[in-house]
Amino acid sequence: DTEVTQTPKHLVMGMTNKKSLKCEQHMGHRAMYWYKQKAKKPPELMFVYSYEKLSINESVPSRFSPECPNSSLLNLHLHALQPEDSALYLCASALGGGEAFFGQGTRLTVV
Amino acid sequence: GIQVEQSPPDLILQEGANSTLRCNFSDSVNNLQWFHQNPWGQLINLFYIPSGTKQNGRLSATTVATERYSLLYISSSQTTDSGVYFCAVLAGGYQKVTFGTGTKLQVIP
Repeated sequence: DTEVTQTPKHLVMGMTNKKSLKCEQHMGHRAMYWYKQKAKKPPELMFVYSYEKLSINESVPSRFSPECPNSSLLNLHLHALQPEDSALYLCASALGGGEAFFGQGTRLTVV
Repeated sequence: GIQVEQSPPDLILQEGANSTLRCNFSDSVNNLQWFHQNPWGQLINLFYIPSGTKQNGRLSATTVATERYSLLYISSSQTTDSGVYFCAVLAGGYQKVTFGTGTKLQVIP
């Protein structure tokens, strides 16, 4: 099983809302990632968790708050987003520098 | 950080034609992957290929790590091959996967 599951698939939120994106994998991978992808651009790294600890934060604004409650789950908490934050948010996992597997993404629209 | 450039940026093929996509990277890498992104945004794993050559059906890939490039070959293209192809590399001591600029492929009947 090489599945990474993301929920929800689509999300529309207002600029004053608080919402969360969820990501789950059961492959025993200890590295988990959040990426942001704008239209016609490659995915850009936001955060990396290694063994449930935040190891990379690519200078992401504090309105995005990641959380890794256990080795299978990764959340991205959203608060006070801007319309320019509308994008496809992708979660991935990998086994210590090996092959990475991606979820199907959450398409976020901020209104 | 490492730079990853792909060429060509856009490619239109007649169904049945062959093509070669290229990925150049600016520094040594620990691993390299090729993905196909479908119109719904899903990134589908094609190859995990830090070095050498692999084949899977009509697709094959070659990575020459010492010369810092990788090639993806698509033979007898089909309309379902349309989409964006990305290479992605892992470099350095960090678990940071960096994507290339992408090649948008359109296969027409």
